[in-house]
Amino acid sequence: GQQLNQSPQSMFIQEGEDVSMNCTSSSIFNTWLWYKQDPGEGPVLLIALYKAGELTSNGRLTAQFGITRKDSFLNISASIPSDVGIYFCAGYNAGNNRKLIWGLGTSLAVNP
Amino acid sequence: SAVISQKPSRDICQRGTSLTIQCQVDSQVTMMFWYRQQPGQSLTLIATANQGSEATYESGFVIDKFPISRPNLTFSTLTVSNMSPEDSSIYLCSVETGSNQPQHFGDGTRLSIL
Repeated sequence: GQQLNQSPQSMFIQEGEDVSMNCTSSSIFNTWLWYKQDPGEGPVLLIALYKAGELTSNGRLTAQFGITRKDSFLNISASIPSDVGIYFCAGYNAGNNRKLIWGLGTSLAVNP
Repeated sequence: SAVISQKPSRDICQRGTSLTIQCQVDSQVTMMFWYRQQPGQSLTLIATANQGSEATYESGFVIDKFPISRPNLTFSTLTVSNMSPEDSSIYLCSVETGSNQPQHFGDGTRLSIL
């Protein structure tokens, strides 16, 4: 099935650094979602985006719905050790009725 | 958002046996879904659990192997039948609380088959 292109696959950063990851699609999406998954837990919704150009923040996290509707990015500012985990983008494309399409994830490690 | 409880949280099973996983939500939800997540991988949708009717399965998943029930708007079960080591995975329940709302997930069931 269709998957989103998510990059980078993994990141290893120093505490305090900013982080950026993105997702792209070959088709137009009408919703973009960003989740974080900690070991032993299910994905937790971080940010939901519904309109092209929308920029939404959740604490130190900021995500944007690309104006082409084919991409989205997530930024984390001033990273802390508890930011460690796997971040997934997901979305609903304009032609698919409510089947969530997923990226392969970005694994983030933070060195304190 | 809804509180989603999955049971069991983990299990180790013998080859050839079956296991039923439960998903309980603390409020009525419109949609319930079952996913599989293999180690280090992304999520793969198994099926949409439909209340009062047969589940809608994705390509590669069949009812005989993964029977699903959804008797009401707050509860669903997924059975993994005739298990083999290839079925070792995390199984996740998710819900949508309303139209055009994002999915929220339970903590998953970690299944190992010997």
